[in-house]
Amino acid sequence: NAGVMQNPRHLVRRRGQEARLRCSPMKGHSHVYWYRQLPEEGLKFMVYLQKENIIDESGMPKERFSAEFPKEGPSILRIQQVVRGDSAAYFCASSPSQGLNSGNTIYFGEGSWLTVV
Amino acid sequence: EDQVTQSPEALRLQEGESSSLNCSYTVSGLRGLFWYRQDPGKGPEFLFTLYSAGEEKEKERLKATLTKKESFLHITAPKPEDSATYLCAVQAFTGGGNKLTFGTGTQLKVEL
Repeated sequence: NAGVMQNPRHLVRRRGQEARLRCSPMKGHSHVYWYRQLPEEGLKFMVYLQKENIIDESGMPKERFSAEFPKEGPSILRIQQVVRGDSAAYFCASSPSQGLNSGNTIYFGEGSWLTVV
Repeated sequence: EDQVTQSPEALRLQEGESSSLNCSYTVSGLRGLFWYRQDPGKGPEFLFTLYSAGEEKEKERLKATLTKKESFLHITAPKPEDSATYLCAVQAFTGGGNKLTFGTGTQLKVEL
């Protein structure tokens, strides 16, 4: 039973280029989340998606960042015109359908490390 | 706004020296409190979910407890392989559904 799969694991981009990070959730999971971990900081929520829907994007920067989870294929986090401050670890996570009263365990992938030079 | 504070920031133990990590939280309706372990260069690995005050869960040398204001992760007779950063996170009923709010973690080092 494969876990959350992310690729690439490491990505180097020059300032101004685009970065695309991919995430395949665990089998049977329909909810996907993206988190960012900056050096010396904690994990910060970015966006929560279900198939073809963005549920909560309250943590996404207003410009240059976008996310999608199409009907077919992986979820994509896209960063346009990258700047040095975008250098971070980006983690994808997934969970099964939302229960009514109990919290849903969220499982994380191994992360994609973006370096902007 | 949901907040999570973890202490200490770093902890160094000798092998076999038991201790506790603290997670204090404020949340508008706790749906769940989560503990994760993170090794360098890796993603967070799920350990426990606690849902209500008084609840306890155990796994090997780890035991997590929950009150209305804080959670403790007790480590009994730790081994060097327990060295990692331990993350605490809360999930609220209101606002963003399943979103987790994380603390900055406790970096644990267990020495021989």
